[in-house]
Amino acid sequence: KQEVTQIPAALSVPEGENLVLNCSFTDSAIYNLQWFRQDPGKGLTSLLLIQSSQREQTSGRLNASLDKSSGRSTLYIAASQPGDSATYLCAVRPQGAGSYQLTFGKGTKLSVIP
Amino acid sequence: DTGVSQDPRHKITKRGQNVTFRCDPISEHNRLYWYRQTLGQGPEFLTYFQNEAQLEKSRLLSDRFSAERPKGSFSTLEIQRTEQGDSAMYLCASSLDPGELFFGEGSRLTVL
Repeated sequence: KQEVTQIPAALSVPEGENLVLNCSFTDSAIYNLQWFRQDPGKGLTSLLLIQSSQREQTSGRLNASLDKSSGRSTLYIAASQPGDSATYLCAVRPQGAGSYQLTFGKGTKLSVIP
Repeated sequence: DTGVSQDPRHKITKRGQNVTFRCDPISEHNRLYWYRQTLGQGPEFLTYFQNEAQLEKSRLLSDRFSAERPKGSFSTLEIQRTEQGDSAMYLCASSLDPGELFFGEGSRLTVL
């Protein structure tokens, strides 16, 4: 059974800092990995999708990397802003036909202090 | 394109009552998913539709839960005889093929 772990559970940084969020998964047979952002009481906003054949994806100040063989992904946020404060979740989709369910981590709650 | 829409956003009900949630996916998306999220946890998969066919169901989906997607458009998730343990955020997502998932704002259920 796939397990996804996100460390740390919470992180507080001053505005302007660069930071890295970690995601690890136990089964490397994944189809893709997706990073999401969730604001309190809201749904999930997709940030980046990395296919299993890719090593990284970038969008603006965000860069996500994937090392499938070691079961790890990182989300790098450059020049953090107070508006980046949210919970960040990673999710993996299994490889192979017939299963489309994502397995999520519990998330990292990020606070960016002005 | 208005994104994934869910209704109602918040439902308060008494134990034993039935509730129904509706999800309208992004119009060209053929795949639709339901997830459930409790406080402090990541979302957990409930069920998946490809067009109108329900192709995958989690063991979390007890016989009190039923989901439909008539005509491959909107979907409904019904919970019968609600229990306090059903209190959660019910999230709907859609995608094109096995690609990027786009989630709605969720429907929060509170069972008293």
